[in-house]
Amino acid sequence: QVQLVESGGGLVKPGGSLRLSCEASGFSFSDSYMSWIRQAPGRRLEWISYTNKNGDSTGYGDFVKGRFTVSRDNAKNSLYLQMNSLTAEDTAVYYCAKEDWGRASHWGQGALVTVSS
Amino acid sequence: ERVLTQSPDTLSVSPGERATLSCRASQSVGSNLAWYQQRRGQAPRLLIYDTSTRATGVPVRFSASGSETEFTLTISSLQSEDFAVYYCQQHNHWPWTFGQGTKVEIK
Repeated sequence: QVQLVESGGGLVKPGGSLRLSCEASGFSFSDSYMSWIRQAPGRRLEWISYTNKNGDSTGYGDFVKGRFTVSRDNAKNSLYLQMNSLTAEDTAVYYCAKEDWGRASHWGQGALVTVSS
Repeated sequence: ERVLTQSPDTLSVSPGERATLSCRASQSVGSNLAWYQQRRGQAPRLLIYDTSTRATGVPVRFSASGSETEFTLTISSLQSEDFAVYYCQQHNHWPWTFGQGTKVEIK
């Protein structure tokens, strides 16, 4: 079955950077759009970004403001999110998701990112 | 950005009763509306897509309807595992956006 496993979360200082990874299995990763979605305490879910099948088309939520970059390695069945210039407002659980026509059909278990000094 | 507003914020329902949840969009999202269930401590799970199509494995007690700006999710007879938070999400206009969620709690 579809499995998505995030890693790379943790504690980072304001202004710092972090790279999240998501390892996929149980489906054809190279044929799938993929996304990152986050859930901050007390805030609604936010769709951070998506990438198409080969990674040459991506989209970002307005709040990203050029700070995050999504990428993928189809040979490794892996999705990545490079996050720079982090602030306390980026504290959240970050989910990797398989995207089917704009909906998140499968989710990982999430990776907690805490931005604090 | 399409803003989704869900109502009510919290719904208190007895097991076996019907629950009706609403989602209103600030602009038309056509039929591109999905619903998710999030149980405590778990990731969200896709329940419904394209307004009314149940995802694989979703029980028939979950049904949904609507169009354009007004959408409804109905749970016909609440089971213990249905007490959770439910989110609507539009995928008509990027960026995809979610509602703030409706918590369905035991009365």
